[in-house]
Amino acid sequence: GAVVSQHPSWVICKSGTSVKIECRSLDFQATTMFWYRQFPKQSLMLMATSNEGSKATYEQGVEKDKFLINHASLTLSTLTVTSAHPEDSSFYICSAFGQGGTEAFFGQGTRLTVV
Amino acid sequence: GQSLEQPSEVTAVEGAIVQINCTYQTSGFYGLSWYQQHDGGAPTFLSYNALDGLEETGRFSSFLSRSDSYGYLLLQELQMKDSASYFCAVRKLSGNTPLVFGKGTRLSVIA
Repeated sequence: GAVVSQHPSWVICKSGTSVKIECRSLDFQATTMFWYRQFPKQSLMLMATSNEGSKATYEQGVEKDKFLINHASLTLSTLTVTSAHPEDSSFYICSAFGQGGTEAFFGQGTRLTVV
Repeated sequence: GQSLEQPSEVTAVEGAIVQINCTYQTSGFYGLSWYQQHDGGAPTFLSYNALDGLEETGRFSSFLSRSDSYGYLLLQELQMKDSASYFCAVRKLSGNTPLVFGKGTRLSVIA
């Protein structure tokens, strides 16, 4: 199956700093990637849809200036959490569909802790 | 909008069979999927149903009834390693549209 690689797997940062999370499709091209956030014991909540070469589409309630998404190539999307605050602490995970279009592949996820 | 309902927790005995139900309300529908997620890990794909009926993959089966907006995941011969969260998910459209997940069902397999 297709492989999506995400890193870092975990990061601790100070409040007010920015953190960049990378998501790569290793053996296929992903024109579209999806970013989710998951709080403990909760479901995956879609944050935004990342499209290669164009602006990301954000879900209602997600601040686009705080969660910067860049999809500069067919294999790389990045999520930057700017001016992080403790309430941004969460599990962030990216996803892309494989060639068949029915199975989504997920990165390993990034556990962000803001102190 | 879209909403998916599934039980929050299920407990079953090792070797038994368990069924996790999912009902959905969506403005568009392009298949019902099931994903498994172990604590601290990423979701992994289990099954996809686009048409009514039963899909079987080893110990796991998934069923869909589009007229009832209902599906279920059936896990047979439960093993301890099956303890995880299980999410049903739908897509509104084909193409590069995102999955919308249910709240998840936490399955605990006990000896």
